[in-house]
Amino acid sequence: DTGVSQNPRHKITKRGQNVTFRCDPISEHNRLYWYRQTLGQGPEFLTYFQNEAQLEKSRLLSDRFSAERPKGSFSTLEIQRTEQGDSAMYLCASSVSETQRNEQFFGPGTRLTVL
Amino acid sequence: AQKVTQAQTEISVVEKEDVTLDCVYETRDTTYYLFWYKQPPSGELVFLIRRNSFDEQNEISGRYSWNFQKSTSSFNFTITASQVVDSAVYFCALSGYQAGTALIFGKGTTLSVSS
Repeated sequence: DTGVSQNPRHKITKRGQNVTFRCDPISEHNRLYWYRQTLGQGPEFLTYFQNEAQLEKSRLLSDRFSAERPKGSFSTLEIQRTEQGDSAMYLCASSVSETQRNEQFFGPGTRLTVL
Repeated sequence: AQKVTQAQTEISVVEKEDVTLDCVYETRDTTYYLFWYKQPPSGELVFLIRRNSFDEQNEISGRYSWNFQKSTSSFNFTITASQVVDSAVYFCALSGYQAGTALIFGKGTTLSVSS
């Protein structure tokens, strides 16, 4: 399967703990995005990478959140000192670089539950 | 500011009925992209279509058709002869014209097709 993959698929943690999610984009895509989706809402943009450079961050990305893409391939999203309000589905998407079409292909998501 | 409104929260139809999902958007950009995504119960967002702002030609793909009207800022999606497998949440989204820009999603319309 050559789609976007995300791990883990589910994560349950206690408030105050740190969590890290991983995203592996489609191999030829050099653009990578993170979104967050809460129940009954559409996905909301968090941050965007082109290769290893983080080019855009939403104001939703508080200082407890950090994202990296060290070698321009996979990306990690870390949440420190989790809060119950962080409970959501975290989605990763990737898109090709050679065109301007901006079609983003999504992974299955990581569902985070903070107890 | 960019905004996408999907006024229909839930729609229920019986198999073989036609159904139209509404999408209205707001943007100050003169060029932009519009998208539809499907999110089945499994949770993974599936890309359906991309339309750029200067192409108002309607598009048909099998049982799916899209009606883009720039004058009313609408990008509606029609499923003809609906099937149970069409049951999902459908999202309309908007982005700037440059690749790498965030998708702005509506809140989605939940379509339930019963047999």
